[in-house]
Amino acid sequence: DGGITQSPKYLFRKEGQNVTLSCEQNLNHDAMYWYRQDPGQGLRLIYYSQIVNDFQKGDIAEGYSVSREKKESFPLTVTSAQKNPTAFYLCASSGRQQGDTQYFGPGTRLTVL
Amino acid sequence: DAKTTQPNSMESNEEEPVHLPCNHSTISGTDYIHWYRQLPSQGPEYVIHGLTSNVNNRMASLAIAEDRKSSTLILHRATLRDAAVYYCILRSSSNFGNEKLTFGTGTRLTIIP
Repeated sequence: DGGITQSPKYLFRKEGQNVTLSCEQNLNHDAMYWYRQDPGQGLRLIYYSQIVNDFQKGDIAEGYSVSREKKESFPLTVTSAQKNPTAFYLCASSGRQQGDTQYFGPGTRLTVL
Repeated sequence: DAKTTQPNSMESNEEEPVHLPCNHSTISGTDYIHWYRQLPSQGPEYVIHGLTSNVNNRMASLAIAEDRKSSTLILHRATLRDAAVYYCILRSSSNFGNEKLTFGTGTRLTIIP
């Protein structure tokens, strides 16, 4: 089945450690996105990529990094510079046309201890 | 960036229609209006989208005001499974690599049995 996978579903890390969240899609979508969601809040855009080897900062990119070496993969690294990394992280993908729908993965809940 | 405004919460009785409003007074001519919904600890699920004309699909209907400054998501017959947070989103794209995505505050819909 086509879709977006994120792994793992739950992730625990110690403060000061970098951690990489996985996002893979087999929908042949050009565009991919990372969002952060805090309890009771909406989604905020971290980074997005419209094509391989290119990506743009979203509204809250500080303390995060991404890469887009393959069309189907868009990993997100939460660095030790991110002051409050505990959150629910969501990956999405879509075509590049304006009306194209974004499809979301199941999310990764990161807890930094 | 164009933003959306939604009521924080709404309640509806089961098997009755639900009208979820969204204001987007600064919408631009090329912005599409997308609606998603999200269950707890899950990724958002696409519901419907439109540009100018009203739209219908198996899940819902989208009514767009003539001046496009507001829209209404209509669930024709609410069920308990429709209880979720509903997000109204504007998807704009001015040019390649400059896409901006704006999430509304979301409306928490409670269905009363």
